[in-house]
Amino acid sequence: GENVEQHPSTLSVQEGDSAVIKCTYSDSASNYFPWYKQELGKRPQLIIDIRSNVGEKKDQRIAVTLNKTAKHFSLHITETQPEDSAVYFCAASRGGNNRLAFGKGNQVVVIP
Amino acid sequence: EAGVTQFPSHSVIEKGQTVTLRCDPISGHDNLYWYRRVMGKEIKFLLHFVKESKQDESGMPNNRFLAERTGGTYSTLKVQPAELEDSGVYFCASSQPLGAGGLSSYNEQFFGPGTRLTVL
Repeated sequence: GENVEQHPSTLSVQEGDSAVIKCTYSDSASNYFPWYKQELGKRPQLIIDIRSNVGEKKDQRIAVTLNKTAKHFSLHITETQPEDSAVYFCAASRGGNNRLAFGKGNQVVVIP
Repeated sequence: EAGVTQFPSHSVIEKGQTVTLRCDPISGHDNLYWYRRVMGKEIKFLLHFVKESKQDESGMPNNRFLAERTGGTYSTLKVQPAELEDSGVYFCASSQPLGAGGLSSYNEQFFGPGTRLTVL
């Protein structure tokens, strides 16, 4: 089955700096890569996703890049703010309504 | 619109006891998923319902776990008997039926708040 690795496990950044989280996957059939954000005590929520026919996608301060050849994808958060502090999960799927395979999560701490 | 709801939010039971978790998906979502996160590890897939049918149950760890979705609405996940290693947060998620694009469609999975299960 799909194996998703996520690095680093924790990341502390100064407010205003950028944060980058990297993930790798193993299943070459995976074609959908969502990112979920889980704030303390809340449910995981989708913040951005990318499909295999796209190399990069941006939504305001967050962006995701995908390298299908190398089987890795990354989340970039620019101009970090305290409300960006959360656990971020990357995931991979074969699309449609197939199951998601998640990474272990990354605790991002934005220091004011 | 109400999101995915789960009950209870927390459950503390002793080893050997039975626990039943409930998930109410978003209305109209045919797809319902169960996932589990054991402390510090990844969120792992357990199973997937399409309406009342089990589409994929390859993630169920063993026969102590029984999931049902009678009538294709809410779902229950029963653990009987519970073991220490069953402790974790159990998430439910739901998504809409696929569009005409089939696997080219990508339906967001909406997650519930989770049930934190502690087995002592």
